[in-house]
Amino acid sequence: GAGVSQSPRYKVTKRGQDVALRCDPISGHVSLYWYRQALGQGPEFLTYFNYEAQQDKSGLPNDRFSAERPEGSISTLTIQRTEQRDSAMYRCASSLRAADSSTDTQYFGPGTRLTVL
Amino acid sequence: QKEVEQDPGPLSVPEGAIVSLNCTYSNSAFQYFMWYRQYSRKGPELLMYTYSSGNKEDGRFTAQVDKSSKYISLFIRDSQPSDSATYLCAMGAGGGADGLTFGKGTHLIIQP
Repeated sequence: GAGVSQSPRYKVTKRGQDVALRCDPISGHVSLYWYRQALGQGPEFLTYFNYEAQQDKSGLPNDRFSAERPEGSISTLTIQRTEQRDSAMYRCASSLRAADSSTDTQYFGPGTRLTVL
Repeated sequence: QKEVEQDPGPLSVPEGAIVSLNCTYSNSAFQYFMWYRQYSRKGPELLMYTYSSGNKEDGRFTAQVDKSSKYISLFIRDSQPSDSATYLCAMGAGGGADGLTFGKGTHLIIQP
């Protein structure tokens, strides 16, 4: 496909379980971003990668959240020991990271709706 | 105080009206300013991208940035029912290549 894809689209889990959310960026895009969007709010930055290197993880709420992008393409956001407050839409975005990064555009995926019971 | 403030609305206007949407921010490091449009159950899509202060026009859309006032605006001329969506302002210190800080979005309704 031409756009950013995410799976699963919906995930319902019980409190205390671990979940893994997957993002497949646009082919050739260097940068990959994870955001969390609560209902009625704008996306909140979590972390981002250039290739396989995690550049900034300052937005991760606590150490239960982690992300990886081992081969510089697909990324996984993992939440351990989920809590009800983790329920939200998790969105992934990717960008080309052109030579002139001042005009780089982030393209967003459809998101994964996580519900923790 | 949040870094970016945006009135969530809803803002309801008749078709053909000029729409004005705006955000204020507190972080002086922000240099890059964007407007995203988000339809229900979809991901945000980029509408306008502006660097530093000034105006940028693209068709019916005009983005304005006033860094001295820490205030940005999006104007939509000749509004259409298809413009009904949530409009999110976003900004960053390092261009579009770094993590962005978003407002909470304004829900816009264009009445036919």
